[in-house]
Amino acid sequence: GNSVTQMEGPVTLSEEAFLTINCTYTATGYPSLFWYVQYPGEGLQLLLKATKADDKGSNKGFEATYRKETTSFHLEKGSVQVSDSAVYFCVLGTASKLTFGTGTRLQVTL
Amino acid sequence: DVKVTQSSRYLVKRTGEKVFLECVQDMDHENMFWYRQDPGLGLRLIYFSYDVKMKEKGDIPEGYSVSREKKERFSLILESASTNQTSMYLCASSFRVTGRTEAFFGQGTRLTVV
Repeated sequence: GNSVTQMEGPVTLSEEAFLTINCTYTATGYPSLFWYVQYPGEGLQLLLKATKADDKGSNKGFEATYRKETTSFHLEKGSVQVSDSAVYFCVLGTASKLTFGTGTRLQVTL
Repeated sequence: DVKVTQSSRYLVKRTGEKVFLECVQDMDHENMFWYRQDPGLGLRLIYFSYDVKMKEKGDIPEGYSVSREKKERFSLILESASTNQTSMYLCASSFRVTGRTEAFFGQGTRLTVV
């Protein structure tokens, strides 16, 4: 079956540091890939998505590229802010279902 | 703005009680979902519905049931609450082809069963 593996957290960074959160997946067919973010006390919201191989999703300074050859969708941001502190979920989508990674908590300090 | 509204943010119930969690969406989405979120386990799908009165089991349906009598409303029912059902419950909705489109989430209901 489909599965998503993302790096364990928590990840603690200083403001303006570079962020990478690794995500790899196992799937049959041609899934879409998403990153969702959950800010404290809130539900999940879509951060970015890519629907086919080599697509790059981007939003709010975050980027991720759908790499079919390495089955990866790593999340990156060049300079994190305190307001980016949240839990980030890598998600694989097929026609009728979303499969979630376990989430990575990011804590950004001044 | 799309809104998915869950009826309660926090609930405390006793073991053996019947518990209803309600979710309403205002975007005319066909699909609605119930997930539970536990530390280290991510989100796990309990049930989903792709149309009124239709439902499908997800990955962990045991101990739960659902009801969808109207398109905008999807209810999760714990027939006899147990302590291992203490968790965060998240409702979501989307247009029909879930895997290609954005899913919208409610703020969650933190349920404690004592």
